[in-house]
Parts: sequence; structure tokens; C-alpha cells
Amino acid sequence: AQTVTQSQPEMSVQEAETVTLSCTYDTSESDYYLFWYKQPPSRQMILVIRQEAYKQQNATENRFSVNFQKAAKSFSLKISDSQLGDAAMYFCAYRGNRDDKIIFGKGTRLHILP
Amino acid sequence: GAGVSQTPSNKVTEKGKYVELRCDPISGHTALYWYRQSLGQGPEFLIYFQGTGAADDSGLPNDRFFAVRPEGSVSTLKIQRTERGDSAVYLCASSHAAGGNSPLHFGNGTRLTVT
Repeated sequence: AQTVTQSQPEMSVQEAETVTLSCTYDTSESDYYLFWYKQPPSRQMILVIRQEAYKQQNATENRFSVNFQKAAKSFSLKISDSQLGDAAMYFCAYRGNRDDKIIFGKGTRLHILP
Repeated sequence: GAGVSQTPSNKVTEKGKYVELRCDPISGHTALYWYRQSLGQGPEFLIYFQGTGAADDSGLPNDRFFAVRPEGSVSTLKIQRTERGDSAVYLCASSHAAGGNSPLHFGNGTRLTVT
């Protein structure tokens, strides 16, 4: 079964600095999709960024980018110029090519220090 | 446009009671998912609908849990004989298409507390 591991339960970063959240996953599939979701205190999960495994180029969305290392099964999220509104739980997630459900990691709580 | 709506936002019930949690997906979204999120954990998959049918119910923990989507839109998650261990936030999500890189759009969840 596929698993998603986020080894950092909590992280802190100074406002305007850069932070990287780690994620590794285990799968025997070669085609799959990876996601990062943000969950603020309001509880609503919001998509931050997504990556198709067949694409070598790392996805970017404004201040958010990923470092996708397929061979290492690693999918880290980099947040540049951190803002107070970035404070939230961040979940890494996996979806197999032959599956429709998305599997989530346990999350990393990100604190932004003013 | 309206997002995914879940009602109630909070539900407190006594052990042994029956509860229903409702989810209104985004209009036109054919795929609908239910997840359960315990404190300090990531969302745990329960069941997924494609249209009216449950395409994958492998995450339902036992036969006390059941979900329906009779007209392919609104879904109801039903829990019988609730136990204290059922206390969690129940998240609903919908998607325009199933699978691939189609993202899930989540509601704000229903916090269920079983006393």
C-alpha cells in the first residue's frame, strides 16, 4: 500500500524567509500525482500545488515551489518570502494513476514568526 | 460560485446515538469523497462516489458507517451506534473528474463529538 511520510511535525520560519517542508512517499507505481494542501484554522483544505510524476520539471505557483525527486520518492515544498498568512497545517498527498482516492500524510504545522 | 458545503459544522451526540452528516458538493462535480480527520492527524479516506454509486468504500472502518448519494449530488454520511472513538472532523470533498491531477475541493468539515 502506498504511504506518505512527513517527518517534521512542526516548523517555524521568520517572516520573509524561506522554508522547506519535507515529504517522502512509498509506491511501486511509475505514474502518479502528488499534491500539497494547506489547512488553516478554519479547517478548509486548500490546494497549494500539484505535480505529475511524468513531468521532470518542478511545479511552481508564485511563492510556492516543489523539489520533486522521483528516484528518491521525495516531494518537498518550498515557501519563499514567508507571510503571516502562510501559517497553517501543510499536508503532502499522493494519488496513484490507477486509483481515485488521495492519501494524505500526517501534516506539518508551520509557524510564521513576525 | 459556491464551494462545498457541509452541515452541521458541529455535532455533539451521546454514545449509542445515530447521526447524519450532510455534504453539498460544487455543482457539476461528479466525484465526491468523505474523509475523517482525527486530532493531529491527516485526513483518512473513508469512501468515494462517482455519480450515485460508491466506487470505493474501502476506508469505511466498520458496518456502523454508511454513505449515500442518491441523486448524484448531495451525500449523507450515516453513523449508527456512535462510539467515543468516532469523534473527529469529517471532511467532504468534490472533484470535477475522478483521478489524475484533478484536485479535491474541500468543505469546512463537520466536527463530531461523541460524549
